[in-house]
Amino acid sequence: DAGVIQSPRHEVTEMGQEVTLRCKPISGHNSLFWYRQTMMRGLELLIYFNNNVPIDDSGMPEDRFSAKMPNASFSTLKIQPSEPRDSAVYFCASSLRNGQPTEQFFGPGTRLTVL
Amino acid sequence: QQQVKQSPQSLIVQKGGISIINCAYENTAFDYFPWYQQFPGKGPALLIAIRPDVSEKKEGRFTISFNKSAKQFSLHIMDSQPGDSATYFCAASIIGNTPLVFGKGTRLSVIA
Repeated sequence: DAGVIQSPRHEVTEMGQEVTLRCKPISGHNSLFWYRQTMMRGLELLIYFNNNVPIDDSGMPEDRFSAKMPNASFSTLKIQPSEPRDSAVYFCASSLRNGQPTEQFFGPGTRLTVL
Repeated sequence: QQQVKQSPQSLIVQKGGISIINCAYENTAFDYFPWYQQFPGKGPALLIAIRPDVSEKKEGRFTISFNKSAKQFSLHIMDSQPGDSATYFCAASIIGNTPLVFGKGTRLSVIA
């Protein structure tokens, strides 16, 4: 398996522009997580899905952020409009939720820079 | 109550020394405590994990010590090597119920 795939790996955009980050989880996994990592705040959980259904989006910082999971193999995180304070590394992770302790597999991340 | 507090923020250890990173939690319902390792430019990856029914788990040079009564757990890296230089995150969750709650991370530098 190729692991969790994220695209793009790097994104540089100007304030006010729409940004869409993409994630393909590991095949067979039924939980998907979006994280944001910054030096100041560490690794923050933004939202997670179980079986394509959003379970908890309390970590989404503002209404400018939205996430979707239209099917088991694809998810997007959208920021509209983007602001410089959104600059961070965004990680997608997936796992198999089966009532047992299971590993959460992280993608390589998308480094977002908003100018 | 969902927080996991991790210390120190950064750590410098001589090659061959012991690296120790500590974490504390409040939620007594947590029943899964993994440690993740992250190299620059990469996503975090599972290093080792423990359940609260044991006080210690060892995998190679990496050991988790768990103190249920104190609500603390720690990662010990024996014979630390320059290749261990990375950021380490502790985490906790309730299996099958909640996602992982991560500590803020510890940046470890092992110098020769």
